[in-house]
Amino acid sequence: GAVVSQHPSRVICKSGTSVKIECRSLDFQATTMFWYRQFPKKSLMLMATSNEGSKATYEQGVEKDKFLINHASLTLSTLTVTSAHPEDSSFYICSAPGQGEGGTQYFGPGTRLLVL
Amino acid sequence: AQSVTQLGSHVSVSEGALVLLRCNYSSSVPPYLFWYVQYPNQGLQLLLKYTSAATLVKGINDFEAEFKKSETSFHLTKPSAHMSDAAEYFCAVGTGANNLFFGTGTRLTVIP
Repeated sequence: GAVVSQHPSRVICKSGTSVKIECRSLDFQATTMFWYRQFPKKSLMLMATSNEGSKATYEQGVEKDKFLINHASLTLSTLTVTSAHPEDSSFYICSAPGQGEGGTQYFGPGTRLLVL
Repeated sequence: AQSVTQLGSHVSVSEGALVLLRCNYSSSVPPYLFWYVQYPNQGLQLLLKYTSAATLVKGINDFEAEFKKSETSFHLTKPSAHMSDAAEYFCAVGTGANNLFFGTGTRLTVIP
């Protein structure tokens, strides 16, 4: 199956700094990628849809100026958490839909962000 | 609109016993349905999916699920639980290349 990677897997940063998380589709192209946030012992919450060549689509309640998304190429999307605060600490997961696979999405391994 | 309800946030079974994780969905269009498994501090791994072909879907690790339109259900089963099955399981519904809507997850504990 298709493989999606994320980097870094874990990051600790100070409050007020910015953190960039990369999501790559390793063996397929993805014009769309999805960014999810998962709180402890909770389900995945869709934050935004990343679109190659155009602006990301954000879900209601997600601050677009705080969570910057750039879909730089057909295999790379980045999520930048700007001016991070402790409440931004979470598990961030990206996914990309398989091509012609009936809605199947392939997920990255996730990035654990801890803001001190 | 799509939504998923997973009954039971925690399920415990003995090793070798039947596993049954429940999922009910709501969708205004014919749905695609998925079960994903998540091990601690990892991403989601696809177990199986229903995409309007056979209603009984077989996945990896002997898991299977049956799509029942009349009951709007897509319950996940496994005949015999193994210790390695302990994880969080998510049911999800989608309609194609769009994002998925996830249930709240069911944590499966396997008792030796």
